[in-house]
Amino acid sequence: KAGVTQTPRYLIKTRGQQVTLSCSPISGHRSVSWYQQTPGQGLQFLFEYFSETQRNKGNFPGRFSGRQFSNSRSEMNVSTLELGDSALYLCASSLLAPGSDEQYFGPGTRLTVT
Amino acid sequence: GIQVEQSPPDLILQEGANSTLRCNFSDSVNNLQWFHQNPWGQLINLFYIPSGTKQNGRLSATTVATERYSLLYISSSQTTDSGVYFCAVPDNYGQNFVFGPGTRLSVLP
Repeated sequence: KAGVTQTPRYLIKTRGQQVTLSCSPISGHRSVSWYQQTPGQGLQFLFEYFSETQRNKGNFPGRFSGRQFSNSRSEMNVSTLELGDSALYLCASSLLAPGSDEQYFGPGTRLTVT
Repeated sequence: GIQVEQSPPDLILQEGANSTLRCNFSDSVNNLQWFHQNPWGQLINLFYIPSGTKQNGRLSATTVATERYSLLYISSSQTTDSGVYFCAVPDNYGQNFVFGPGTRLSVLP
């Protein structure tokens, strides 16, 4: 069974631009979560989607948004990029919910904002 | 919300040595995972262990849910074990994972 995939793997953007990251979960998994990892803040939860609905959202500004498609693939978007958005963005999938099922992570997208 | 602590923050070992990593959490949980983050950033699943003991090769883990801690044992460490080890538990509503700060392990040849 294929694992969680994320594209692109690396991205360099300029302040003020916007970016879209993509995540394809493991086949059959319906829950997709996004996390941001920075050296200073560690791994922080962004949001979680299930059946195209955002069920939970972390403490991030409205510039961070996401969506999920009917095939469970998910995208996250960051608008008006700031230098502090430079981070590793990780996507995770689980069968039904992160709280009750094992989560599997993708390889991440490393975003650099200059 | 639930708090997760890990100790030690850093660990340096000689190849072949054994080690124990600890994860403490502030509230009862029904799910706990251990991950190894490799140098490229990928989080590799090690154990899904809400309670009890599991073993996988040189690695084993024990979670004592009633006392709110979990231990990860690495025996006969190898240089490829280097990286950061995270434990994670669900938040109080079971809607997302809360990660500990990690233990950075360096295994020297």
